[in-house]
Amino acid sequence: LAKTTQPISMDSYEGQEVNITCSHNNIATNDYITWYQQFPSQGPRFIIQGYKTKVTNEVASLFIPADRKSSTLSLPRVSLSDTAVYYCLVGDAGAGGFKTIFGAGTRLFVKA
Amino acid sequence: GAGVSQSPRYKVAKRGQDVALRCDPISGHVSLFWYQQALGQGPEFLTYFQNEAQLDKSGLPSDRFFAERPEGSVSTLKIQRTQQEDSAVYLCASSPREGGYEQYFGPGTRLTVT
Repeated sequence: LAKTTQPISMDSYEGQEVNITCSHNNIATNDYITWYQQFPSQGPRFIIQGYKTKVTNEVASLFIPADRKSSTLSLPRVSLSDTAVYYCLVGDAGAGGFKTIFGAGTRLFVKA
Repeated sequence: GAGVSQSPRYKVAKRGQDVALRCDPISGHVSLFWYQQALGQGPEFLTYFQNEAQLDKSGLPSDRFFAERPEGSVSTLKIQRTQQEDSAVYLCASSPREGGYEQYFGPGTRLTVT
């Protein structure tokens, strides 16, 4: 399983765009990159998943360069309610079951 | 539709007691995961089921931990002879695919061992 490295914490202000970068130098060919969001006292919530280039949904965008050794989660125009912990995961969603590694995540604090 | 539910939401156990934590996954989801989350840490993988088969239990911290999913839907995580270090939030997640990183999490059960 590829190890990931993320900043421990980030601060932002309402209305700004926030970019959280995750390093995964040992990513394997079959690995996907997935991001989760977790609020206090709740389970993590799936945000977005990608393999290469760019993926966008109604919540966020995920940018993955050609070498796939890093990825960036982009949150447009954050609000106070985006204050949460964000986890980057890398792994092969293959059959047979697998061990999911979350890491410590990035604590995003959005200020008014 | 209904999401993943877990019960109880909170459990206080005296050291040495046995506890059973229940997870009701989203109907039809093939995969089911259990995680342990300590305060301020990310979730740590405990075990994985594909339907009723437990395909990975490498994260279970000791033989006091046991999980089952006998009919491929509801799952129970049992902890025998609880210890203080077992105090944590236990999260359950399900996924519509085999394996799968797109997991849907329940709210967790907060276990406190006194």
